[in-house]
Amino acid sequence: DTGVSQDPRHKITKRGQNVTFRCDPISEHNRLYWYRQTLGQGPEFLTYFQNEAQLEKSRLLSDRFSAERPKGSFSTLEIQRTEQGDSAMYLCASSLLANQPQHFGDGTRLSIL
Amino acid sequence: QQQVKQSPQSLIVQKGGISIINCAYENTAFDYFPWYQQFPGKGPALLIAIRPDVSEKKEGRFTISFNKSAKQFSLHIMDSQPGDSATYFCAARIGGSEKLVFGKGTKLTVNP
Repeated sequence: DTGVSQDPRHKITKRGQNVTFRCDPISEHNRLYWYRQTLGQGPEFLTYFQNEAQLEKSRLLSDRFSAERPKGSFSTLEIQRTEQGDSAMYLCASSLLANQPQHFGDGTRLSIL
Repeated sequence: QQQVKQSPQSLIVQKGGISIINCAYENTAFDYFPWYQQFPGKGPALLIAIRPDVSEKKEGRFTISFNKSAKQFSLHIMDSQPGDSATYFCAARIGGSEKLVFGKGTKLTVNP
């Protein structure tokens, strides 16, 4: 049983560029979550999916952010027109069912130049 | 209302000692309280979790104590080891929701 996999592990980009991250959940987990963690803070919820349906979005998820899970397996998180404030660790988690423990990947660290 | 307040921000303990981290909340709709351990460069790893109908849960050297009336819960690490040095986060989930609300974390250092 492999864990949650995230790619890339690190991304450095210039302000204004678009970036896309990928998350592969634990096999057969139908819940997938995205969180953002800034330095010295706990993770903050962004959005989550049940299979391919996006069920909840945080107010943190501005219109520059979009997440998809097209076939109910892997998910992508895209940030358009990146800003300095987008620099953070983007964490993905998955759980087997609702109200089951969430298991996190090691994240994608985004740095905006 | 949706915050979880965690203290202390940092903690230094000698090997073999007891590490205690505290969290408090206001929202009585929270129904699930996990603790996560995070090492540098890694994602949070679930350590132990409790529901409010239980006052204490123990797994190995890790114990959660839960005080529903005070709206507080704490993590106790017995016989702390240098390998326990990490950042610990408490979290809470509102019943009916699936998002976790995290505390700001406690950086634990266990000296040999």
